[in-house]
Amino acid sequence: SYELTQPPSVSVSPGQTATITCSGDKLGDKYVCWYQQKPGQSPVLVIYQDNKRPSGIPERFSGSNSGNTATLTISGTQAMDEADYYCQAWDSSTGVFGGGTNLIVL
Amino acid sequence: EVQLLESGGGLVQPGGSLRLSCAASGFNFSSYVMNWVRQAPGKGLEWVSAISGRGGNTYYADSVKGRFTISRENSKNTLYLQINSLTAEDTAVYYCAKDLGSGREFDRWGQGTLVTVSS
Repeated sequence: SYELTQPPSVSVSPGQTATITCSGDKLGDKYVCWYQQKPGQSPVLVIYQDNKRPSGIPERFSGSNSGNTATLTISGTQAMDEADYYCQAWDSSTGVFGGGTNLIVL
Repeated sequence: EVQLLESGGGLVQPGGSLRLSCAASGFNFSSYVMNWVRQAPGKGLEWVSAISGRGGNTYYADSVKGRFTISRENSKNTLYLQINSLTAEDTAVYYCAKDLGSGREFDRWGQGTLVTVSS
């Protein structure tokens, strides 16, 4: 079965750029989206189709996808961005999530 | 405003069954693929199942194939998940999620309903 691999945690200082990766075989051939989940809350879509932002998502969130790696970038990271982030793609009509990355802002 | 409201979770014994429901409002329900996603306590997200707008096509994760059945009743704007032969590994919050429109992304999520499998 297809797998997506994320680092368990990423740390960033406020105002700096956070980079979260998601790796999978030939991932660049698929569309990737990203979800943010804060404790006790439902996930929120922050990036879809590799690099598109849904309405209401701040411009500091951006995405890219090439080769075997997709990347979520948060520029000018704020304390409110501290959360778990999940990448997601589809393989043979099956949804696949990465294991999630805990973004720590300190 | 799009709203998704899950119900039907609870405590069930191993081998038991439950039917989860998701009441949708604020959008043209029959026009969108709908999904179920679950999250075990303290764990990550796991896609469970999807169903096309008219209900003619269904898709399942290997971990639930043959035990779970997704369905929808468009006249009632309601999504269902029948879950059978439950094991402790099925303990999770079950979310229903609306597709963005391309069949690939979930742009709205419910608040989830907790299913606990324990004797």
